[in-house]
Amino acid sequence: AQKITQTQPGMFVQEKEAVTLDCTYDTSDPSYGLFWYKQPSSGEMIFLIYQGSYDQQNATEGRYSLNFQKARKSANLVISASQLGDSAMYFCAMRELSHTGNQFYFGTGTSLTVIP
Amino acid sequence: DVKVTQSSRYLVKRTGEKVFLECVQDMDHENMFWYRQDPGLGLRLIYFSYDVKMKEKGDIPEGYSVSREKKERFSLILESASTNQTSMYLCASSLFYRVVWETQYFGPGTRLLVL
Repeated sequence: AQKITQTQPGMFVQEKEAVTLDCTYDTSDPSYGLFWYKQPSSGEMIFLIYQGSYDQQNATEGRYSLNFQKARKSANLVISASQLGDSAMYFCAMRELSHTGNQFYFGTGTSLTVIP
Repeated sequence: DVKVTQSSRYLVKRTGEKVFLECVQDMDHENMFWYRQDPGLGLRLIYFSYDVKMKEKGDIPEGYSVSREKKERFSLILESASTNQTSMYLCASSLFYRVVWETQYFGPGTRLLVL
């Protein structure tokens, strides 16, 4: 089974509007972390936001917030007031404490295009 | 700021060539990772290393090997490049082992084309 599922291959949003990028995850580990990364066309992966499985509140970083619904195993990224520079690929990732491989699991990504 | 550098941004090689991709980090990180990224497949882990001379296979190690002789440097080796290894290769590093809260720090990526 996929550890991280991103069901939206591509999304469009009007400039200055909010957009939600979906992410669901699969784990039986009680301790895990969820991450979102942005990858512009230049290729570098930029860390955006982190949510821990024991965190009581949803994480926020500037215009980014993470809608964490633990029971539904979802960790959607919300970008408010979209800007043209937000056009990029977005990846959801998970890290589990018990996994001896210390690895991250990544989703297949969502390509976001912001329309002027 | 953590800096992860990769030896080439773009690389073109012939089938059968031996290819070296180099990654260097400047923050004394214990862990280093090699991923390949393909459209529709996301990032897939090839190999990782949690110490000098230590390596662990990831999800897709076939056709690749790695070398970590110094803490700051992690090399990915394609022993005999094939066209199906045409891809974007991303190197990453992190400091802590077995924590959930630390992000990985990525290099700029190498786009490899095998003809």
